[in-house]
Amino acid sequence: KQEVTQIPAALSVPEGENLVLNCSFTDSAIYNLQWFRQDPGKGLTSLLLIQSSQREQTSGRLNASLDKSSGRSTLYIAASQPGDSATYLCAVWGIYNQGGKLIFGQGTELSVKP
Amino acid sequence: EPEVTQTPSHQVTQMGQEVILRCVPISNHLYFYWYRQILGQKVEFLVSFYNNEISEKSEIFDDQFSVERPDGSNFTLKIRSTKLEDSAMYFCASRPDYGYTFGSGTRLTVV
Repeated sequence: KQEVTQIPAALSVPEGENLVLNCSFTDSAIYNLQWFRQDPGKGLTSLLLIQSSQREQTSGRLNASLDKSSGRSTLYIAASQPGDSATYLCAVWGIYNQGGKLIFGQGTELSVKP
Repeated sequence: EPEVTQTPSHQVTQMGQEVILRCVPISNHLYFYWYRQILGQKVEFLVSFYNNEISEKSEIFDDQFSVERPDGSNFTLKIRSTKLEDSAMYFCASRPDYGYTFGSGTRLTVV
């Protein structure tokens, strides 16, 4: 059974710092991994999607990497801003889930202080 | 940018009542989903829907739950007799081949 874990559970940094959020999964048989942002009480906003054949994806100040064999993904945020404060979720789609079910981690709550 | 639209944003209902949560997925997407998030817990899968039928459902999705795509654009989740433990944020999502788009959610409060 696929389990997704995110470390740390919470992170507080001063504005301008570069930071790394970690996601690990127990079953490496995945189609893809997707990173989301969730603001308090709000929906999920897709940040980056990495296919199983890819090593990384970049969008602006965000870079996500995937090491499928070791069951790890990282989300790198460069030059953090207070507006980056949110909960970041990773989710994987296993190859045995033909219907495309996502398994989520519990998230990392990020606070960027001005 | 296309969006998944959910209504209402917040619904309060009495225990035992029926509720219908509504979603309008992105028009050219083929796969539709419901997830839920109990406060402080992980987002968890409820059901997937493709080609007008359920393709997978979780243990949570028991006989009290049903989904429907009544008119080719709306996608609904019905809970027949709500329980206190059904209180959660319910998210609708859709996708083409890859990459989910989620709606902003309906916060269901059962009192």
